[in-house]
Amino acid sequence: AQSVAQPEDQVNVAEGNPLTVKCTYSVSGNPYLFWYVQYPNRGLQFLLKYITGDNLVKGSYGFEAEFNKSQTSFHLKKPSALVSDSALYFCAVRANSGYSTLTFGKGTMLLVSP
Amino acid sequence: DTAVSQTPKYLVTQMGNDKSIKCEQNLGHDTMYWYKQDSKKFLKIMFSYNNKELIINETVPNRFSPKSPDKAHLNLHINSLELGDSAVYFCASSQLPRANTEAFFGQGTRLTVV
Repeated sequence: AQSVAQPEDQVNVAEGNPLTVKCTYSVSGNPYLFWYVQYPNRGLQFLLKYITGDNLVKGSYGFEAEFNKSQTSFHLKKPSALVSDSALYFCAVRANSGYSTLTFGKGTMLLVSP
Repeated sequence: DTAVSQTPKYLVTQMGNDKSIKCEQNLGHDTMYWYKQDSKKFLKIMFSYNNKELIINETVPNRFSPKSPDKAHLNLHINSLELGDSAVYFCASSQLPRANTEAFFGQGTRLTVV
């Protein structure tokens, strides 16, 4: 069975500082990896995905994520955090096969202070 | 233009009632999903439909019955509502059921059973 672990319930960072939201995964075969963001009382918005190729993936709003196969990780990063980045972030994985489901981590709340 | 829209946004109802949540997508996608987000923000797939056909049913109680009249709509009907059904339900769609495509989410329906 596939799974995603987001070890931090909450990440606190000051505005202007770099941020990292951690994600590790477990899946049979090659993974497809995704990051989504959820603002209060809103649906999930897609940020970025890793399918194949370059391990560093760039996405929306200045976010990027690095795929590390040996560590089975897909950490989300941003060089300079904004207060408006404060939200709930979900990492998700899908197996590279047929009608596989998208499995989400439990989410990490990012709080960026002014 | 709203890509994936759900109605209603809020739904408060008594135990034992039957209710429906509607979902429509105008993205031309072939695949639609229902996810449940519990009080701890954990997201879990419930159903997936591709071109009006059920392809994934993740051990959801049979009180939950999805219906897809066409590939742009996937409605969720819930019979005999229970307190434990209280959650936020998200509809989503994607271009294909293949693993490398991201899903687009609606804004959610907050169901409260009293």
